[in-house]
Amino acid sequence: EIVLTQSPGTLSLSPGESAVLSCRASETIPGNCLAWYQQKPGQTPRLLISGASSRAPGIPDRFSGSGSGTDFTLTISRAESEDFAVYYCHQCGTTPPFFTFGPGTKVDIK
Amino acid sequence: QVQLVESGGTLVQPGGSLRLSCAASGFIFSDYYMSWIRQAPGKGLEWIAYIRGDSAYIIYADSVRGRFDISRDNAKKSLYLQMNNLRVEDTAVYFCARRLAGRPFEYWGPGTLVTVSS
Repeated sequence: EIVLTQSPGTLSLSPGESAVLSCRASETIPGNCLAWYQQKPGQTPRLLISGASSRAPGIPDRFSGSGSGTDFTLTISRAESEDFAVYYCHQCGTTPPFFTFGPGTKVDIK
Repeated sequence: QVQLVESGGTLVQPGGSLRLSCAASGFIFSDYYMSWIRQAPGKGLEWIAYIRGDSAYIIYADSVRGRFDISRDNAKKSLYLQMNNLRVEDTAVYFCARRLAGRPFEYWGPGTLVTVSS
């Protein structure tokens, strides 16, 4: 099973600031199948990024993903008030499909 | 549009059983792999079960293998999770989600809450 580690655990931002969230895998993720989700309290996770760097339909371009192998990042440029949430990375590349999620990074208002 | 709606969550005693359902609409259900993913209160996401479109391939996380059974009825466009020998630590919101091969979970239902407590 691939273990995902996210850092930092919590990130405090002011609106308009940018943030870089990190996701590190315990081994190379096959096919670069790494996704990022945003989850607000009481809501379903929302897919932001797939394939490490492709934005899902309707996702603002202030969200960008990068990385390959074992190290991945999600960048939020010029954060808006609606961006304060928990962000999870997720690997979907293993066969058999023992999918895993990172523990999450909480982005809150400074 | 794509919709996934879970049902069946409730309060159950430790050792009890429960069956969750997920009703799908807005897409060709049999074309998609389906999974159950859960989230304990205040915790992160945990994938627990996966089934291929033809039901010929099923896999479980270690935490539920031997206690939970995933199944689907493509004619009814429904996904199920039979949960047996429930434990307190199974308390969570249970989501159903769909994916295509090589892709992440693209659509999720709103979830249904299962509480295991005496």
